[in-house]
Amino acid sequence: DVKVTQSSRYLVKRTGEKVFLECVQDMDHENMFWYRQDPGLGLRLIYFSYDVKMKEKGDIPEGYSVSREKKERFSLILESASTNQTSMYLCASSWGGAGSQETQYFGPGTRLLVL
Amino acid sequence: AQSVSQHNHHVILSEAASLELGCNYSYGGTVNLFWYVQYPGQHLQLLLKYFSGDPLVKGIKGFEAEFIKSKFSFNLRKPSVQWSDTAEYFCAVNADNQGGKLIFGQGTELSVKP
Repeated sequence: DVKVTQSSRYLVKRTGEKVFLECVQDMDHENMFWYRQDPGLGLRLIYFSYDVKMKEKGDIPEGYSVSREKKERFSLILESASTNQTSMYLCASSWGGAGSQETQYFGPGTRLLVL
Repeated sequence: AQSVSQHNHHVILSEAASLELGCNYSYGGTVNLFWYVQYPGQHLQLLLKYFSGDPLVKGIKGFEAEFIKSKFSFNLRKPSVQWSDTAEYFCAVNADNQGGKLIFGQGTELSVKP
């Protein structure tokens, strides 16, 4: 079974803090993704990566950055958290490298509250 | 830009009722299609997927979906819902020109009354 884990289920941070969200997958997947999930908006892609040290912007990258130093780990960074970044953050991974249309497997999510 | 529409935002059914959730997408090329489900407090998990072949695909827990290319649709169905089907359902499309990105619909919240 594919397992995608995220470092925290719940996180509370203050405006202006630097926030790190960690994601680890154990299936040697090439691709990893970060989404945010908001009511009525579905999931929106923030960043993705199809290889170590590679990153691509998704649909809403503003205010975020990512890091992929190892194949199994993909970190989402909020350089200076703002209240409009309060959301559920989901990490996912899939096989296949760039352009792959394979199934994505999701982690449990991190619910972030920025005060 | 490609988009995915789920027309029902919140559906309320009684147990044993039949379910159909609509999903339409806006791309004429090759697509892979997915339905994901998120049960309360749980992570998003794959319900079923269509890559090619028989347009009627069967998934877990008695769900099925039909790909109708001419209508750009991939509707989810279940003949008889249970209280345990209460969840949020997401349709997603992976188009061949999107570099591996999934595009999600807005989600449909299903509430099943016992």
